[in-house]
Amino acid sequence: AQSVSQHNHHVILSEAASLELGCNYSYGGTVNLFWYVQYPGQHLQLLLKYFSGDPLVKGIKGFEAEFIKSKFSFNLRKPSVQWSDTAEYFCAVNSWDTGRRALTFGSGTRLQVQP
Amino acid sequence: NAGVTQTPKFQVLKTGQSMTLQCAQDMNHNSMYWYRQDPGMGLRLIYYSASEGTTDKGEVPNGYNVSRLNKREFSLRLESAAPSQTSVYFCASRETGGQDFGDGTRLSIL
Repeated sequence: AQSVSQHNHHVILSEAASLELGCNYSYGGTVNLFWYVQYPGQHLQLLLKYFSGDPLVKGIKGFEAEFIKSKFSFNLRKPSVQWSDTAEYFCAVNSWDTGRRALTFGSGTRLQVQP
Repeated sequence: NAGVTQTPKFQVLKTGQSMTLQCAQDMNHNSMYWYRQDPGMGLRLIYYSASEGTTDKGEVPNGYNVSRLNKREFSLRLESAAPSQTSVYFCASRETGGQDFGDGTRLSIL
């Protein structure tokens, strides 16, 4: 079964600091990878996704992620965070090889940006 | 275009009561999903429906039933609510390109 690990459970940064959130997955076949963000009291919103092609993916709000197949990783980055980036971030994977259509989510990383 | 709509937004139940969470999408998606979100555990799949008329169990189906009433609607039923089912429930739809989520139902069982 596929699984997703997010090693940083709670990250506290000051505004303008750089951000990198780790995500590793366990499945060895073809995967689709996603990062979602959940602002306080809101539903999940898609930040970015990787299906194929260029392993460096750019998403909304200045976020990007790099797919490194050899490391089974899909880390999320942002050069300079803002207070408004305070939220919980979820990495997710979907594998079509197993016929599984739903997403498997990591446990989430809570990001707190201090002004 | 409302996307994915869930009702109710909040509900408090007593142990043993039953209720149905409603979900509807207006994007003509084939696949629909029910997740529960618990602190420190991310989202876990309860049930999904790949198309109208089909449903499949996810990671945590025990204590739940679902109905794919038509292409638009996918309901989640708790027949006899238990405190362990206190959670935030999210419905989602789509298959490729990521999933669209509803606003969630915060359910408390006393």
